[in-house]
Amino acid sequence: EAGVVQSPRYKIIEKKQPVAFWCNPISGHNTLYWYLQNLGQGPELLIRYENEEAVDDSQLPKDRFSAERLKGVDSTLKIQPAELGDSAVYLCASSLVATGPYNEQFFGPGTRLTVL
Amino acid sequence: GENVEQHPSTLSVQEGDSAVIKCTYSDSASNYFPWYKQELGKRPQLIIDIRSNVGEKKDQRIAVTLNKTAKHFSLHITETQPEDSAVYFCASTGFQKLVFGTGTRLLVSP
Repeated sequence: EAGVVQSPRYKIIEKKQPVAFWCNPISGHNTLYWYLQNLGQGPELLIRYENEEAVDDSQLPKDRFSAERLKGVDSTLKIQPAELGDSAVYLCASSLVATGPYNEQFFGPGTRLTVL
Repeated sequence: GENVEQHPSTLSVQEGDSAVIKCTYSDSASNYFPWYKQELGKRPQLIIDIRSNVGEKKDQRIAVTLNKTAKHFSLHITETQPEDSAVYFCASTGFQKLVFGTGTRLLVSP
């Protein structure tokens, strides 16, 4: 079974440019997460989806960040415009349905963004 | 919101020694405590987890203990091996929101 897939793995852009990251969760996983991981830090939640609904986006900087999960499967995270401080690894994770006992989150390999 | 503190930030041991990493959390409603291992440039992977109705859980060389009264939990690795070298993150969750610690870089020297 394939794990969580993310692309691209690396992205280098100049500041003020837009950038988008794509995530394909594990088949059958209804819950999808986007995390930001700064160097030497733990992942920080940006947004959580239950199917196509964003149920927790309180940590998403909505002035420049946006996300979508139109059909409840793949998801895209966008930054426009990118700033120097956005350089980090963006991790996608998925888990089974959120209701009931907590379910393990499976992480993708991440996209390492460098903003010059 | 939940706050998770993790110590130490770095830990160096000799192969065969034990390693202990400690975390504290703030939200008394938290009920799930996973530990993730992240090798350099790779994805975090779950190595063990514990739920609030259990005080201790063991899986081969890895064990986790939970003290809900004191709001702290610990990861214990026995008979460490060089391949245990990685960054370890603890996490805590209330309702479906994982909050991670800042990580412990474990270095196991042969």
